[in-house]
Amino acid sequence: DVKVTQSSRYLVKRTGEKVFLECVQDMDHENMFWYRQDPGLGLRLIYFSYDVKMKEKGDIPEGYSVSREKKERFSLILESASTNQTSMYLCASSLVQVNTEAFFGQGTRLTVV
Amino acid sequence: QQQVKQSPQSLIVQKGGISIINCAYENTAFDYFPWYQQFPGKGPALLIAIRPDVSEKKEGRFTISFNKSAKQFSLHIMDSQPGDSATYFCAAAYNFNKFYFGSGTKLNVKP
Repeated sequence: DVKVTQSSRYLVKRTGEKVFLECVQDMDHENMFWYRQDPGLGLRLIYFSYDVKMKEKGDIPEGYSVSREKKERFSLILESASTNQTSMYLCASSLVQVNTEAFFGQGTRLTVV
Repeated sequence: QQQVKQSPQSLIVQKGGISIINCAYENTAFDYFPWYQQFPGKGPALLIAIRPDVSEKKEGRFTISFNKSAKQFSLHIMDSQPGDSATYFCAAAYNFNKFYFGSGTKLNVKP
């Protein structure tokens, strides 16, 4: 069974803290993604990685950075958490192939207080 | 600016009815259009997908209609069931890489 695992289901952090969200996939996928899900806004792409140490900004990268040191692991970093980063964060991975499918983790609900 | 625009935001349908969700895009480089279904507490999962070289794809009760010239595509759920109640996202991708998602439609099928 394909699996994308996010390290935490729920996180509560304080404003100004550095926050790490971890994602691991066991499918040897080249592509990995971080999305943010907010009501009425859908899934917005934060960052995309197509290979180890390679990354591209998505639509809303401000306030975030990413790290991909190994193929199976993709980390999202909030350098200095702010209350407007309170959201559901979803990690996904996919193969580079025709009719590819993005497989999602269950999400991390982050609350910044 | 959202790359894929989705409507309606919410939809209530009686059991047995047809649910229709619409999406539009601007970037003609998109070459893959999947629909995802999300149940509460879960990540989205692929439901059905279409390439722009076909105008319609059907899988069971789910059909995608695609209009390349209008840059629009839609999801039809025939004989909607209470178990179909979920949030649906349309998406678009190019080079089989980045996926851009719509804003989502929360479907409620009433028994």
